[in-house]
Amino acid sequence: KQEVTQIPAALSVPEGENLVLNCSFTDSAIYNLQWFRQDPGKGLTSLLLIQSSQREQTSGRLNASLDKSSGRSTLYIAASQPGDSATYLCAPTLGGADGLTFGKGTHLIIQP
Amino acid sequence: NAGVTQTPKFRVLKTGQSMTLLCAQDMNHEYMYWYRQDPGMGLRLIHYSVGEGTTAKGEVPDGYNVSRLKKQNFLLGLESAAPSQTSVYFCASSLGPPLLLAKNIQYFGAGTRLSVL
Repeated sequence: KQEVTQIPAALSVPEGENLVLNCSFTDSAIYNLQWFRQDPGKGLTSLLLIQSSQREQTSGRLNASLDKSSGRSTLYIAASQPGDSATYLCAPTLGGADGLTFGKGTHLIIQP
Repeated sequence: NAGVTQTPKFRVLKTGQSMTLLCAQDMNHEYMYWYRQDPGMGLRLIHYSVGEGTTAKGEVPDGYNVSRLKKQNFLLGLESAAPSQTSVYFCASSLGPPLLLAKNIQYFGAGTRLSVL
């Protein structure tokens, strides 16, 4: 069974800092990995999907990297803003029909 | 621009009552999923469907039933609610599985907050 760990569980930084969120998974036979954002009381929004053949994927100030062989992914957020405050979840997919396996998330607070 | 719509948004039940949660998607997706989210547990898959008329069990299916009579709708039923089913329930949909579709983004609804007293 895939186990997904996200470190840190919570993070509070001042506005403008660059930061890195970490995700590790136990089964490296993944097809892709998604990073999601969840705002309080809301659903999940997909931020980035990185395929198993890729090393990096970028969207605006966000950059996700994937090291499939070591079972690790990082989400880099550049020049953080208060609007980035949310919970970030990673979800590697083994490719079966039964959906994604989610980490418990990193709760991020960006202080104005 | 509706995407995935869940109804109701909030519900309070008494132990033993039944209810049905409705998920509707307008993206012509084949795959649909029901998750529950609990503090400290993350999201866990309850049931899923790979197409109209099909359903399958996920990680935590006990106490729930599902139906996919129409492609756009996926219903989650609680026949006899228990306090342990107090949770936030999310529905999601996708075009297909990652095995066949590398860009298999899942789209989520806004969730249903259920309390069972």
